Amino acid sequence: SQQGEEDPQALSIQEGENATMNCSYKTSINNLQWYRQNSGRGLVHLILIRSNEREKHSGRLRVTLDTSKKSSSLLITASRAADTASYFCATDARTSYDKVIFGPGTSLSVIP
Amino acid sequence: EPEVTQTPSHQVTQMGQEVILRCVPISNHLYFYWYRQILGQKVEFLVSFYNNEISEKSEIFDDQFSVERPDGSNFTLKIRSTKLEDSAMYFCASSITQGNGYTFGSGTRLTVV
Repeated sequence: SQQGEEDPQALSIQEGENATMNCSYKTSINNLQWYRQNSGRGLVHLILIRSNEREKHSGRLRVTLDTSKKSSSLLITASRAADTASYFCATDARTSYDKVIFGPGTSLSVIP
Repeated sequence: EPEVTQTPSHQVTQMGQEVILRCVPISNHLYFYWYRQILGQKVEFLVSFYNNEISEKSEIFDDQFSVERPDGSNFTLKIRSTKLEDSAMYFCASSITQGNGYTFGSGTRLTVV
């Protein structure tokens, strides 16, 4: 299975702290994506990193990708209460861009 | 900001009934997807669709499911004979090309009773 697995399953931090979530996957990929889901809402695309990239930034988000370890991390710096959500990594497979599989997610709580 | 629109937001149906979930993807997007999320569980891939054909589907997407793009704007998911276990949030997504991030709709909550 290509499915990513996030770690930890749940994370609780104080506002202003950094939050780091990890994702591991099993098969070779073209791209890895991170999404956010607020409770009961749709998924919001955060960032996509391609297999030939090692690091990408978007605002307070930093994503790294280590294809040798088949792992990625999402760092949210200077967290805010509004960052409280579930975060999912999603991977395609080297043989198919069209089947993107989501991991089970990390539930992040940022305490004001 | 362009959006993916899904209707209805909530649908309740009797077991065994047919249901059609509707989606309007972003107008210049070419790739379309359906996912579902059973309450409290992970987001599951159902099907991807491009050029009026299914390009990938999962084991969940059996003969009870079908997708259609009946005109230039709508993308529908039909469940022929709903079961209790089909109760879930169904998300439609679209992307402009392969290998790009998806834009998701807000979802349709399907409740089968």
